[in-house]
Amino acid sequence: QKEVEQNSGPLSVPEGAIASLNCTYSDRGSQSFFWYRQYSGKSPELIMSIYSNGDKEDGRFTAQLNKASQYVSLLIRDSQPSDSATYLCAVNNDMRFGAGTRLTVKP
Amino acid sequence: GAVVSQHPSWVICKSGTSVKIECRSLDFQATTMFWYRQFPKQSLMLMATSNEGSKATYEQGVEKDKFLINHASLTLSTLTVTSAHPEDSSFYICSATSGPASSYNSPLHFGNGTRLTVT
Repeated sequence: QKEVEQNSGPLSVPEGAIASLNCTYSDRGSQSFFWYRQYSGKSPELIMSIYSNGDKEDGRFTAQLNKASQYVSLLIRDSQPSDSATYLCAVNNDMRFGAGTRLTVKP
Repeated sequence: GAVVSQHPSWVICKSGTSVKIECRSLDFQATTMFWYRQFPKQSLMLMATSNEGSKATYEQGVEKDKFLINHASLTLSTLTVTSAHPEDSSFYICSATSGPASSYNSPLHFGNGTRLTVT
């Protein structure tokens, strides 16, 4: 079993909808969780970090962490075409990334 | 804060030549930096972990004699692609963490990447 798994997508949502990206992890002792966004042809950038159970909101982005169920989610409200990118989930600052989830927001 | 500068942003070189890519942490000290390669429409692949003052740790399948990594200071790591071939053409990205290597709480900060084309 991979340590971190994401819904592979691709995920397509209409503009203005909520995009939900999910990530599960196997190490129950994991402490820190990160979401990165990578536009095509660009390097990744950090968009959210979360360390405690519950929700963390930053603008249109909300990270949700549930340690009991071992998942972390990223919700993007009022999705915009500019949100179209690949989203990468990282746990405990693991420097190895999976394929991520490719999100397309259609106008 | 936590800016990583990578240079050059793109480079074209002839087959058989060597290319050096620099990765600098501008406003923090990075004990550990990471080098990635990404082919079109593929995932980021970790190539090696660069440790200041010691030898880099290479991922399985990455030739250490071809991809030379030097991390001589806490703010600079370099990747040299030696005897480059067209199949080395790729997008090379470095990253660094602003916290101690053993800390789980610090995110990775990425450089803007270097697009290498070998003709």
